[in-house]
Amino acid sequence: KQEVTQIPAALSVPEGENLVLNCSFTDSAIYNLQWFRQDPGKGLTSLLLIQSSQREQTSGRLNASLDKSSGRSTLYIAASQPGDSATYLCAVRSGDQGGKLIFGQGTELSVKP
Amino acid sequence: DTGVSQDPRHKITKRGQNVTFRCDPISEHNRLYWYRQTLGQGPEFLTYFQNEAQLEKSRLLSDRFSAERPKGSFSTLEIQRTEQGDSAMYLCASSLVTAGDGTQYFGPGTRLLVL
Repeated sequence: KQEVTQIPAALSVPEGENLVLNCSFTDSAIYNLQWFRQDPGKGLTSLLLIQSSQREQTSGRLNASLDKSSGRSTLYIAASQPGDSATYLCAVRSGDQGGKLIFGQGTELSVKP
Repeated sequence: DTGVSQDPRHKITKRGQNVTFRCDPISEHNRLYWYRQTLGQGPEFLTYFQNEAQLEKSRLLSDRFSAERPKGSFSTLEIQRTEQGDSAMYLCASSLVTAGDGTQYFGPGTRLLVL
């Protein structure tokens, strides 16, 4: 059974710092991995999707890496801003392109001005 | 707005009542998913459809829960005889599987509170 774990559960950093969020999964037979952002009381916004054959994806100040063999992914946020404060969730998809997502419990990020 | 929409956004009900939620996916998306999220946790998969066919149901989806997607467009999730443990955010997502990478796009969610 696939299990996804995110560490740390919460993180507080001063504005401008670079930071790394971690995600690990127990079954390396994944189709792809997706990182989401969730603001309090809101739905999920997709940030990056990495296919199992890829090592990393970049979008603006965000960079996500994937090491499938070790069951790990990281989300790197450069030059953090207060507007980055949110909960970040990683989710893995097993099976096919349209399969269900298995989520971690999230990392709650707070960026202090 | 061409994103995923959900209705209602908030629902307060008394224990034992039935509730129904609606999800309208992004137009042309053939897969539609339902997830449930409790406070401080990541979303948990409930069920998903490809067009009108329900392809998978989680064990979390007890007999009190039923989901439909009758014409392969919008979907409804009904909870019968609600219990306090059903209080959660119910999230809907859609994706296009025949092309692209299958990215799931989420709606704003329906927050249910059972008193």
